[in-house]
Amino acid sequence: QKEVEQNSGPLSVPEGAIASLNCTYSDRVSQSFFWYRQYSGKSPELIMSIYSNGDKEDGRFTAQLNKASQYVSLLIRDSQPSDSATYLCAVNPRNNRLAFGKGNQVVVIP
Amino acid sequence: SQTIHQWPATLVQPVGSPLSLECTVEGTSNPNLYWYRQAAGRGLQLLFYSVGIGQISSEVPQNLSASRPQDRQFILSSKKLLLSDSGFYLCAWSPSELRRGQYGYTFGSGTRLTVV
Repeated sequence: QKEVEQNSGPLSVPEGAIASLNCTYSDRVSQSFFWYRQYSGKSPELIMSIYSNGDKEDGRFTAQLNKASQYVSLLIRDSQPSDSATYLCAVNPRNNRLAFGKGNQVVVIP
Repeated sequence: SQTIHQWPATLVQPVGSPLSLECTVEGTSNPNLYWYRQAAGRGLQLLFYSVGIGQISSEVPQNLSASRPQDRQFILSSKKLLLSDSGFYLCAWSPSELRRGQYGYTFGSGTRLTVV
């Protein structure tokens, strides 16, 4: 079982819509969860972190964490063409080395 | 504020040639340092990490090596490159005391390596 799984294929959303990304993780003792945005040809950039169950909002981004179900999600409201990128989920398991998912590509269609 | 520098940005090297990629961090001391590789269309693969000078842990056996000669300097090397070494190499840092893992990693701008 992979530490972090992002199973959805490329996600196409119309401009102004909500993009929803999901991520599951295997280590129940994980304490910290992160979302990175990676533009094509660029390095990953940290956009959200969440540590407690529930929702955390930052601008148009909302991270949601459910430790009982071992999943974390990212919502992008009012999607813009500039949001077109690959989004990486990262989890801090017991060994304190971040485990990354393979990422989900988001394409916002004007 | 902390910054991470990585160079060169792009590199084209022939098979069998040596490699040296350098990464430096400014504005912090005793950081944890990491080397990742991202092959085309694939996820991030952790290659090496270091918690201090001279302390290197390898995640994947291969023809690459890493060194940390100074507190904020991390070097990725190879004596003879293979075609399969092509990829996007990323250096990252995190605070040494993770405090229950509150900090994500901060990545450098990356080096695009093409082995021909």
